[in-house]
Amino acid sequence: GAVVSQHPSRVICKSGTSVKIECRSLDFQATTMFWYRQFPKKSLMLMATSNEGSKATYEQGVEKDKFLINHASLTLSTLTVTSAHPEDSSFYICSASRGSLGELFFGEGSRLTVL
Amino acid sequence: EDKVVQSPLSLVVHEGDTVTLNCSYEVTNFRSLLWYKQEKKAPTFLFMLTSSGIEKKSGRLSSILDKKELFSILNITATQTGDSAIYLCAVDPNQGGKLIFGQGTELSVKP
Repeated sequence: GAVVSQHPSRVICKSGTSVKIECRSLDFQATTMFWYRQFPKKSLMLMATSNEGSKATYEQGVEKDKFLINHASLTLSTLTVTSAHPEDSSFYICSASRGSLGELFFGEGSRLTVL
Repeated sequence: EDKVVQSPLSLVVHEGDTVTLNCSYEVTNFRSLLWYKQEKKAPTFLFMLTSSGIEKKSGRLSSILDKKELFSILNITATQTGDSAIYLCAVDPNQGGKLIFGQGTELSVKP
């Protein structure tokens, strides 16, 4: 099946630093990728839609300047959490859509802990 | 507002039991409904349902969609401890691939 790789799987950083998370589709091209955030024991919350070659579309309430998304190629999208604070600690998951039916494949997720 | 509601939120059963997980939805423009299983990491795909009344089956898991009543069920027969996970239901509202997720059902299967 299709594989979406996410890196790093786990990151710990100090408050005020920026962290970049990569999402790659390994065996298919993804013009659109999605970034989700998940709090413990909660469901996935869509943060933004990442479009190759254009600006990301952010969901209501998500700060664009805080969560920078870049979709530089058909196989890579990055999420940068800028000036991270402890409340940004969460599990971030990317997904990519393949095919006309839009079947989604998820990355392994990245657990961010901000100290 | 589009929404997906799952029930129950949590469930504890014993090995061998059969469970039914529920998912109801309200979306303006329905394209498909998907079920995912999430253990410690990211969700893994189980089923995609687009048509009413057609059961999809994979081993001990099966799912069916009712587009008239706007719900889906996920059945797991002869449960095993390895079935313990959060089961997520999501609806594709035909908005470029984004999904709307329900809250999830946390299933715990005891030996």
